[in-house]
Amino acid sequence: AQKVTQAQTEISVVEKEDVTLDCVYETRDTTYYLFWYKQPPSGELVFLIRRNSFDEQNEISGRYSWNFQKSTSSFNFTITASQVVDSAVYFCALSEVFYGQNFVFGPGTRLSVLP
Amino acid sequence: EPEVTQTPSHQVTQMGQEVILRCVPISNHLYFYWYRQILGQKVEFLVSFYNNEISEKSEIFDDQFSVERPDGSNFTLKIRSTKLEDSAMYFCASSYSLGQPQHFGDGTRLSIL
Repeated sequence: AQKVTQAQTEISVVEKEDVTLDCVYETRDTTYYLFWYKQPPSGELVFLIRRNSFDEQNEISGRYSWNFQKSTSSFNFTITASQVVDSAVYFCALSEVFYGQNFVFGPGTRLSVLP
Repeated sequence: EPEVTQTPSHQVTQMGQEVILRCVPISNHLYFYWYRQILGQKVEFLVSFYNNEISEKSEIFDDQFSVERPDGSNFTLKIRSTKLEDSAMYFCASSYSLGQPQHFGDGTRLSIL
């Protein structure tokens, strides 16, 4: 069965600190996709990134970077020089290709960036 | 940029009543989904819909739930005989194909009294 674990329930940092959000997944599928979504206090879900299982290159987008390691089934998300506007709940999600269509979301990590 | 729209943004209903949540997916998307998020908890999959039929559903999606695509644009979730524990945020999502990012609507907050 597919499963996503985000061990950090809540993280608090001070503005300008770097912070890494952990995501560990389980899947039977050899082809799958990993995602990160942001849920700000307003409640909507905002897509941040998609990674497929064959692409282990790390990705950087501005202050955001993602580290995908298939060997440890992890897809961690780092925010560099955090800002107050980064305060949100961040969800990691997994989508299998062969065994199912639906997303499985992790429990989320609530990030609070303090001024 | 095209987006998924959901109406209403907030629905208040008496327990036992039926409720219909509406969604307009992105027009060229082929896969449609409903998710539920109980306050403070994680987002849970309810059902996926493709080619005018349910392709997958979770154990949460029991007989009180149904989905429909009544025309070429709307995608609805009906909850019959609502219960207090149905109170949650309901998200609709759509994607062009499997594995593509699912684009989420802003959600409908359902409050059962």
